[in-house]
Amino acid sequence: GQSLEQPSEVTAVEGAIVQINCTYQTSGFYGLSWYQQHDGGAPTFLSYNGLDGLEETGRFSSFLSRSDSYGYLLLQELQMKDSASYFCAVRDSSYKLIFGSGTRLLVRP
Amino acid sequence: TAGITQAPTSQILAAGRSMTLRCTQDMRHNAMYWYRQDLGLGLRLIHYSNTAGTTGKGEVPDGYSVSRANTDDFPLTLASAVPSQTSVYFCASSRDNTGELFFGEGSRLTVL
Repeated sequence: GQSLEQPSEVTAVEGAIVQINCTYQTSGFYGLSWYQQHDGGAPTFLSYNGLDGLEETGRFSSFLSRSDSYGYLLLQELQMKDSASYFCAVRDSSYKLIFGSGTRLLVRP
Repeated sequence: TAGITQAPTSQILAAGRSMTLRCTQDMRHNAMYWYRQDLGLGLRLIHYSNTAGTTGKGEVPDGYSVSRANTDDFPLTLASAVPSQTSVYFCASSRDNTGELFFGEGSRLTVL
């Protein structure tokens, strides 16, 4: 089967750094993606890791370790607008994208 | 740029009735997907299509059917709706295999 595990909720202070972890089990693996979703909105793509290592896009970075079936999303210099749900997703051997259940991030002043 | 268009935005449906959610993309993406999102359960894949003319089952396909007659359109049909199909439905597409999906704005379906 396929499963992804991520924390259900994380709280952090404005200006701080937060890391959201994701572990996965899939039949075949072709990359780990991260998505952001604000309440009432559609998910939007943040980053993709096809190979091990760190990918950086502005204040957001994403890391992958295929040997550990583990990745994380790092958000720096947190802003109030970063309060949202964050989903990790893996592409399996059929090229379909399977999502985790999401981490709700609350940024406090 | 339209991207992905879903219709209707919202619908209330009596149990036992049929319903088709429409999804159209203008980006010429090969792959398209239907997800449902329920509170606390994230996004669950219903059906997908890697290219026009092919479809595949996702995590929760029962009670749903899809077709992919051309590149642009990927309708989702509920033949006989049940209350457990009350959800927000998202259509998405992707250009390649990088894991970047483009989502529509969603269709909120309530089955009574």
